[in-house]
Amino acid sequence: DSGVTQTPKHLITATGQRVTLRCSPRSGDLSVYWYQQSLDQGLQFLIQYYNGEERAKGNILERFSAQQFPDLHSELNLSSLELGDSALYFCASSVTGAGANVLTFGAGSRLTVL
Amino acid sequence: TQLLEQSPQFLSIQEGENLTVYCNSSSVFSSLQWYRQEPGEGPVLLVTVVTGGEVKKLKRLTFQFGDARKDSSLHITAAQPGDTGLYLCAGTSNQAGTALIFGKGTTLSVSS
Repeated sequence: DSGVTQTPKHLITATGQRVTLRCSPRSGDLSVYWYQQSLDQGLQFLIQYYNGEERAKGNILERFSAQQFPDLHSELNLSSLELGDSALYFCASSVTGAGANVLTFGAGSRLTVL
Repeated sequence: TQLLEQSPQFLSIQEGENLTVYCNSSSVFSSLQWYRQEPGEGPVLLVTVVTGGEVKKLKRLTFQFGDARKDSSLHITAAQPGDTGLYLCAGTSNQAGTALIFGKGTTLSVSS
């Protein structure tokens, strides 16, 4: 157990739907990162939050949004889902939001869009 | 365009063989990290290299950071079936901002 908790582990939904993925960071970590992993693109950085504020943005689609709450847990919202959104979504946390951080990853949420 | 290119993409070897996987970029990185990911789990950090030319050893694994801090390599001596997994390099650079950017990884399979 890495200490980073992601729910749900598996999610199957239909195109056009909206889902929310949840992440609880490791105790003491202030920064949360979201990554999308697919076979063809690898692990792609989506977005980073530090202590409730957005810190960095990667290849996140406009249909996707995220936030970090005062208790430091984070949610990734995916809307108007398309077949191509099927992927593993990982949350990671770190103590600070600076570069060269050690990231601790959760076990991921596997999203299947039918 | 991938900021970090890893090669080979796939590697299938017998137990006891040696192997090297590479992570290359045209950009300078302030640091590079190597992670290992097993099926159904998230990546787990193996090592961080910070100084150009740095060599770090972790049991049978040897990590090297290039002098110009644009590339890194991972060498495994006498591979074992337990080494099977996806090896990912990741780095931070001025181009990447504060985020950790990953290569696509090398999938290693070691059979007994």
